[in-house]
Amino acid sequence: EAQVTQNPRYLITVTGKKLTVTCSQNMNHEYMSWYRQDPGLGLRQIYYSMNVEVTDKGDVPEGYKVSRKEKRNFPLILESPSPNQTSLYFCASRPTSGNLQEESSYNEQFFGPGTRLTVL
Amino acid sequence: GEDVEQSLFLSVREGDSSVINCTYTDSSSTYLYWYKQEPGAGLQLLTYIFSNMDMKQDQRLTVLLNKKDKHLSLRIADTQTGDSAIYFCPREAGNMLTFGGGTRLMVKP
Repeated sequence: EAQVTQNPRYLITVTGKKLTVTCSQNMNHEYMSWYRQDPGLGLRQIYYSMNVEVTDKGDVPEGYKVSRKEKRNFPLILESPSPNQTSLYFCASRPTSGNLQEESSYNEQFFGPGTRLTVL
Repeated sequence: GEDVEQSLFLSVREGDSSVINCTYTDSSSTYLYWYKQEPGAGLQLLTYIFSNMDMKQDQRLTVLLNKKDKHLSLRIADTQTGDSAIYFCPREAGNMLTFGGGTRLMVKP
């Protein structure tokens, strides 16, 4: 089954204790991304990766790191978590864009099930 | 201001039509999307529209795009309780999707 998986699904931790949330996709997608979802703010992009060894900041990268050593995996690293990073996190992937002028080249992103993180 | 604006909440009765609206500050996206998030789940693409189209119909869903007014709407005909979810209309900018706050649709039996 084509899917994006995240682990763990739920995590409660304390301020300053390094953690990693894993993301893996089995669709051979080049593009992967991390979002956080907060009430009333929708989803905000943290980091994205266009391909292996290529990562870029999104809208809210502060306090986060990512790596893309393999095509299928895109872990999110919080070196020193703080309470303001308590949130619901989503990983997503999609193929690289085709010809955007063609209707068939729309970019559907496939989302993982989410990781609910609480930092005390 | 916000890139993507949506009303926070909509309540309808089962069998009625629902209309969810989005307004953008920038209408330059090639595609515009509607994603649905059911409780406790990730987002799923519901439908999309190419920017040179005014309307797209897909079974119970009708998407209307008014580029001049930078306005996108999603109409759900014969709304069912299974349509209760949060709906997002992200704008695509380069390699990023920019989301609004989402509209929570509640369908009453």
